[in-house]
Amino acid sequence: GDSVTQTEGLVTLTKGLPVMLNCTYQTTYSPFLFWYVQHLNEAPKLLLKSSTDNKRTEHQGFYATLHKSSSSFHLQKSSVQLSDSALYFCALTSTQVVGQLTFGRGTRLQVYA
Amino acid sequence: NAGVIQTPRHKVTGKGQEATLWCEPISGHSAVFWYRQTIVQGLEFLTYFRNQAPIDDSGMPKERFSAQMPNQSHSTLKIQSTQPQDSAVYLCASSHPGANERLFFGHGTKLSVL
Repeated sequence: GDSVTQTEGLVTLTKGLPVMLNCTYQTTYSPFLFWYVQHLNEAPKLLLKSSTDNKRTEHQGFYATLHKSSSSFHLQKSSVQLSDSALYFCALTSTQVVGQLTFGRGTRLQVYA
Repeated sequence: NAGVIQTPRHKVTGKGQEATLWCEPISGHSAVFWYRQTIVQGLEFLTYFRNQAPIDDSGMPKERFSAQMPNQSHSTLKIQSTQPQDSAVYLCASSHPGANERLFFGHGTKLSVL
């Protein structure tokens, strides 16, 4: 079945520094990848999505590129802010298995002043 | 638009008791999903309805968990004979047809089984 692997656990950074959260996936079908962000005591919200190979997608300063050759969809930001502290989930759906997302276990990003 | 509404926000049950969780999807969204969130497992898919019909319940523990969607405005997740390992945040999400499965999540119900 489908699976998603993320950078495990906690990533801590000082504000202003760049960040990359890793996401790799496995599926036998054509993939559609997502990044969801969940702030403390909030609902997860969509941050980015892509199904186009080698095309960078951006939102709110975050960006990611789907690379089908390496089965990756890493999330990056050039300069993190305190407000970026949250739990980040990478998720996958395949066009053959609509209606269900497979999530990674999540990566917590903590940004310090 | 109030978003996906889940009630209650917190529920505490004793071991062996029943718990019913409620979800009101966004009006016009025809797909409703239930997920379970724990620190250890992250977000796990439980079940999914489209146009009120159950489509995929492959993530549901078969014996004590059941979900229904009696009308387009609400869905319920029922857990019978709750066990401590059922303690989790249960998230409901809805999506609009053709939105490439972009999910709009509720805030979740935190279930604590003592």
